Amino acid sequence: KNEVEQSPQNLTAQEGEFITINCSYSVGISALHWLQQHPGGGIVSLFMLSSGKKKHGRLIATINIQEKHSSLHITASHPRDSAVYICAVWGMETSGSRLTFGEGTQLTVNP
Amino acid sequence: GAGVSQSPSNKVTEKGKDVELRCDPISGHTALYWYRQSLGQGLEFLIYFQGNSAPDKSGLPSDRFSAERTGGSVSTLTIQRTQQEDSAVYLCASSMTGGLGEQYFGPGTRLTVT
Repeated sequence: KNEVEQSPQNLTAQEGEFITINCSYSVGISALHWLQQHPGGGIVSLFMLSSGKKKHGRLIATINIQEKHSSLHITASHPRDSAVYICAVWGMETSGSRLTFGEGTQLTVNP
Repeated sequence: GAGVSQSPSNKVTEKGKDVELRCDPISGHTALYWYRQSLGQGLEFLIYFQGNSAPDKSGLPSDRFSAERTGGSVSTLTIQRTQQEDSAVYLCASSMTGGLGEQYFGPGTRLTVT
């Protein structure tokens, strides 16, 4: 079992729909990151969370430390949101310092 | 632009040859990371530099992989005696404050070992 699991693996939506991507992790963490990887391969950091909720434009990220779960929401989705969304955690319990990544969620938003 | 830069953007090499990949982090960022993304796979941590501390090399897949960071800035990832399974996109990222800081990713180097 991976330390970080995302669902769904693939998601297709119509423009304007509300999107939710989920991330569950099995280790104690110091922080959780949501990343966006576009088809060209470039990766952009969307959020870094250690508690609560953050909002940036149409994107909202929440984290529940007790339940070891985070969600990324996209409101009023648009075709330009099509990308792979990656959850990554910075563990408290792992030796050294590393991000552990989920497998990613491929989002396709159709016009 | 003051983003993270990597070179080369693409590298094709023959099996058994050595390769060097370069990363220029954002000026002033003390933390630098190398990751690998094999085709169709997720991101994999390789190595982490924080300031002048000894790097965390625990993610390096074999002793053919090594990395240096000179003067707390530019980093070079070296792969010796390349194998076909080394083919991947190698990504570098930097952050201002280490693990709890936002990471800024470079465009990556696509390595193909023939």
